Amino acid sequence: DVKVTQSSRYLVKRTGEKVFLECVQDMDHENMFWYRQDPGLGLRLIYFSYDVKMKEKGDIPEGYSVSREKKERFSLILESASTNQTSMYLCASSAGTGTNEQYFGPGTRLTVT
Amino acid sequence: GENVEQHPSTLSVQEGDSAVIKCTYSDSASNYFPWYKQELGKGPQLIIDIRSNVGEKKDQRIAVTLNKTAKHFSLHITETQPEDSAVYFCAANLYFGNEKLTFGTGTRLTIIP
Repeated sequence: DVKVTQSSRYLVKRTGEKVFLECVQDMDHENMFWYRQDPGLGLRLIYFSYDVKMKEKGDIPEGYSVSREKKERFSLILESASTNQTSMYLCASSAGTGTNEQYFGPGTRLTVT
Repeated sequence: GENVEQHPSTLSVQEGDSAVIKCTYSDSASNYFPWYKQELGKGPQLIIDIRSNVGEKKDQRIAVTLNKTAKHFSLHITETQPEDSAVYFCAANLYFGNEKLTFGTGTRLTIIP
């Protein structure tokens, strides 16, 4: 069965801290995505990766960076967390074969105080 | 880039009645239109999708229609049941192959018993 896991369901960090959100998929998918979900704004793409060590900016990359050293793992990094980064973060993966279906993890609710 | 608008933002329907959620997209080159359902505490999950060479697709109580001329597509749920209560997202894919999706802002559907 397809599975995307995220390292934490809930996370509380202080302003200015460096924050790592980890995502792992077990489907040998080529593509991985990080989204931010806020009420009334839907899912907004932060970054995506179409291969190991390859990344592309999404719609709202400011304040974030990513790392993909292994095919199954995609990390989102908040270099210096700010209160406006308090949100739900969702990771997803897709096969990269043109089927387009994205498989999502359960999300990490991050609170920055 | 692509822009997807979704309406309504909330929808309450009596159990057994039908529900319709509508989306419009901006780029006529978009070619793939999925719908995702997000249940409480979970990540979104694909429930149905349609490609630009098809006008309608059905899967049991769920159907999606696409009007390429008007650049809008709709999700239809018939004979609604309590388990249909969730947040629904439409999306569009502009560049075939990279599997990147632009999501709408979501519709919270509540089924009233």
